[in-house]
Amino acid sequence: GAVVSQHPSWVICKSGTSVKIECRSLDFQATTMFWYRQFPKQSLMLMATSNEGSKATYEQGVEKDKFLINHASLTLSTLTVTSAHPEDSSFYICSARRISTSGTDTQYFGPGTRLTVL
Amino acid sequence: KNEVEQSPQNLTAQEGEFITINCSYSVGISALHWLQQHPGGGIVSLFMLSSGKKKHGRLIATINIQEKHSSLHITASHPRDSAVYICAVGGGADGLTFGKGTHLIIQP
Repeated sequence: GAVVSQHPSWVICKSGTSVKIECRSLDFQATTMFWYRQFPKQSLMLMATSNEGSKATYEQGVEKDKFLINHASLTLSTLTVTSAHPEDSSFYICSARRISTSGTDTQYFGPGTRLTVL
Repeated sequence: KNEVEQSPQNLTAQEGEFITINCSYSVGISALHWLQQHPGGGIVSLFMLSSGKKKHGRLIATINIQEKHSSLHITASHPRDSAVYICAVGGGADGLTFGKGTHLIIQP
């Protein structure tokens, strides 16, 4: 089956630093990847849609200057949390859109990254 | 924006019981997903449905497009089925909208 990896799986950083999270589709090309986050005891929420070779589309309330998304290749999207603060502590998870040769269109999820900002 | 409601929020059952988790949504969709999330946070996609019914092992998912409702059933439940089950709608070029999840505990 399709595999999506994320790195790192967890990270602890000091307030004010920047953290980069990578999302890779390992065995398929993904022109579209999605970034979600989940705060404790809450549901997953879409942050942004990342399209290869173009600017990301951010959901309402998500600061594009704080959450920088780069989708430079068909297998890699990165999310950089700039000047992280404790309120950015969350579980970040990506998904990659795969369209099979038969036309099946689905999303495959990475394992997630747990960010803790001290 | 689609509203996704799941019920029940929490469910504790004995091993072997038949489990049903329900999901309703407010706006017509192209696809509905059932996902499983374990305590570490990792998510596994169980089903993607656009109509009818799908079965995989002991898991069965159904969807009624007219009623905007889907159910996930687990037959002969086992403690290893304990997890959070999440319903999500959308897909394609759009991100998913998620329900709040159902916390399932299967006791031996």
